[in-house]
Amino acid sequence: ETGVTQSPTHLIKTRGQQVTLRCSSQSGHNTVSWYQQALGQGPQFIFQYYREEENGRGNFPPRFSGLQFPNYSSELNVNALELDDSALYLCASSLGGGRNTEAFFGQGTRLTVV
Amino acid sequence: DQQVKQNSPSLSVQEGRISILNCDYTNSMFDYFLWYKKYPAEGPTFLISISSIKDKNEDGRFTVFLNKSAKHLSLHIVPSQPGDSAVYFCAASVYSGGGADGLTFGKGTHLIIQP
Repeated sequence: ETGVTQSPTHLIKTRGQQVTLRCSSQSGHNTVSWYQQALGQGPQFIFQYYREEENGRGNFPPRFSGLQFPNYSSELNVNALELDDSALYLCASSLGGGRNTEAFFGQGTRLTVV
Repeated sequence: DQQVKQNSPSLSVQEGRISILNCDYTNSMFDYFLWYKKYPAEGPTFLISISSIKDKNEDGRFTVFLNKSAKHLSLHIVPSQPGDSAVYFCAASVYSGGGADGLTFGKGTHLIIQP
């Protein structure tokens, strides 16, 4: 059974650029959630995908968007990057279409916007 | 406004003693609570959870207590071991609502186990 894997592990982008982060969910999990963790803060919910549809969203602007693929892997896209987007981005997979029982997290992607 | 609060940024405990990590919440809709542990350069690892229909859940050295009237939960680790040194996050969700609003996390407590 493979765990949650994210790529890349680190990334540096310039303000105004676009970025795509990737996540492979744990085998058998059909739900993927994305979180942003700023320095010194807890993870903050961005959105959740279940069976390729977005089924929940936190307080993030539309320039944060995502996709889930038939194999349940997922992408997080951020357009028009701002300096405040610098953070650790975490992907979590789970079963159950939104019931966040025991979500399993990847190691994260550290994004730095300069 | 923070809906999940961990008021102790850090906690130092001697090896072998009990570690008690505290968490308060303000949203009365929360009905499912989880604790995660995080080492540097790793993602959070699930530790233990509790539903609002219970007031206690145990798993080995870890016990979570829930006091709904006080909107307070705590994680007890007995006995504390050096490998327990990590950042601990309290998280909450509205399980009965489908959970699609994600988990709401506190800011974390850095637990340091001293030999």
